[in-house]
Amino acid sequence: NAGVTQTPKFRILKIGQSMTLQCTQDMNHNYMYWYRQDPGMGLKLIYYSVGAGITDKGEVPNGYNVSRSTTEDFPLRLELAAPSQTSVYFCASSPRTGVIQETQYFGPGTRLLVL
Amino acid sequence: GQQLNQSPQSMFIQEGEDVSMNCTSSSIFNTWLWYKQDPGEGPVLLIALYKAGELTSNGRLTAQFGITRKDSFLNISASIPSDVGIYFCAGPVSGGFKTIFGAGTRLFVKA
Repeated sequence: NAGVTQTPKFRILKIGQSMTLQCTQDMNHNYMYWYRQDPGMGLKLIYYSVGAGITDKGEVPNGYNVSRSTTEDFPLRLELAAPSQTSVYFCASSPRTGVIQETQYFGPGTRLLVL
Repeated sequence: GQQLNQSPQSMFIQEGEDVSMNCTSSSIFNTWLWYKQDPGEGPVLLIALYKAGELTSNGRLTAQFGITRKDSFLNISASIPSDVGIYFCAGPVSGGFKTIFGAGTRLFVKA
C-alpha cells in the first residue's frame, strides 16, 4: 500500500494562474479531506468528501474547488492563484470504520508558493 | 465555531526531560485525538481517547481525556531527539464527518 500520495511536492505559481493538486489513496477509504497549513499555524479544512460524487465545504473553501469522481482520487483545484493561497496543502483519508474510526491518514503535502 | 486552544505554543527542552502539553476547548468533545507531525511530513495519529477521565499510553507518551470533556493532556517522558515535531490535538465535529485541529505545540529537543 502506498497510502495517500500527493503530487506535485512543490510548485511555484504566478498570481492568476490555475493548477490542480492531485491526491490519490489506495486504501479504499470513503472519507477524504483537503487541509491547508499556514506557517506556524494548525490545519484548516478546505473541503471534504464522504464518498464518490459527494463533496462539502470546510472552514476555508473560498478560491478552491474539488471533485470526487472515484473513491481513490480527490483533486483540489485553484482557479485564480493569489498570494494568500501560499501554504502547505495536505490531503487525508479515513476509513470511518475499525477500532479507531476517526483516524485520518495524511499524505506528505504539497508546498505551494504564489508570487 | 468550535475551537481548540493548545499550550504552550512551543517548547525548547533538553534530551531526557519530561514534557507536558494541553488542549482546551469551550465546547465538549466526545473524542480527543493527538497527532504528531515530523518536519516535512504529514501528521500521524499517536493516541485516541474516547471516555472522560481515560488515561492511555503509547510507549513514552501518555494522554488523558479531561473529566470536564473540554480538555486533554499529553505527556512525553524522557524525551529524545526524534520527539522533535509539532503535536496537534484534534476532535471530531459535525457528527464526526469533520475533525478540527488545534494550532499545535512545537517541540524542540536539544541533544
